Amino acid sequence: GQSLEQPSEVTAVEGAIVQINCTYQTSGFYGLSWYQQHDGGAPTFLSYNALDGLEETGRFSSFLSRSDSYGYLLLQELQMKDSASYFCAVRDLSEAGGFKTIFGAGTRLFVKA
Amino acid sequence: GAVVSQHPSRVICKSGTSVKIECRSLDFQATTMFWYRQFPKQSLMLMATSNEGSKATYEQGVEKDKFLINHASLTLSTLTVTSAHPEDSSFYICSARGRGTVRADGSYEQYFGPGTRLTVT
Repeated sequence: GQSLEQPSEVTAVEGAIVQINCTYQTSGFYGLSWYQQHDGGAPTFLSYNALDGLEETGRFSSFLSRSDSYGYLLLQELQMKDSASYFCAVRDLSEAGGFKTIFGAGTRLFVKA
Repeated sequence: GAVVSQHPSRVICKSGTSVKIECRSLDFQATTMFWYRQFPKQSLMLMATSNEGSKATYEQGVEKDKFLINHASLTLSTLTVTSAHPEDSSFYICSARGRGTVRADGSYEQYFGPGTRLTVT
């Protein structure tokens, strides 16, 4: 089967650093992505890791270890607007040809003042 | 960046009727479009993948005759929920990738539409 595990909720204070972990078990693996979704909105892309290591984009960083089937999203200098759901997602082969994205259940991040 | 639109943003329909949702790529040619549904406070579940000009590939458990997908052009895909029932009420989101959405590493990024909230009464 295919599964992506991530914590259901995380709470942190404004200005802090928070790490959201994701472990995956999928039939294929062609990269790990992270998406942010505010309540009532559509997901927006944050980061993508195809190779092991750390990718940094501003306040957000994402890490991947393929040997451990593990990745994380690191959010620094937390702001109130970062309160949202964060989904890890794995690219896998699609029967239609090309790739499809499988999403984890999401982690709700609450940022407190 | 690439823009994907969906129409309508919200729709309320009566049980037994059919509803069509449009997904358009506005500034790129979408060779592949994905349709997801999301129940409140849950993850996105992939329903089907469609490549332009060919039949959609449905995920296991998704009824092909109930959720009709057409991807007739490089900028438009439609999802028709036929004979809708209250349990079909959900947030339907499309995403697209294709020419013009290539990342620096050569892979394709997919862009999400704003979603359509369907309520079946």
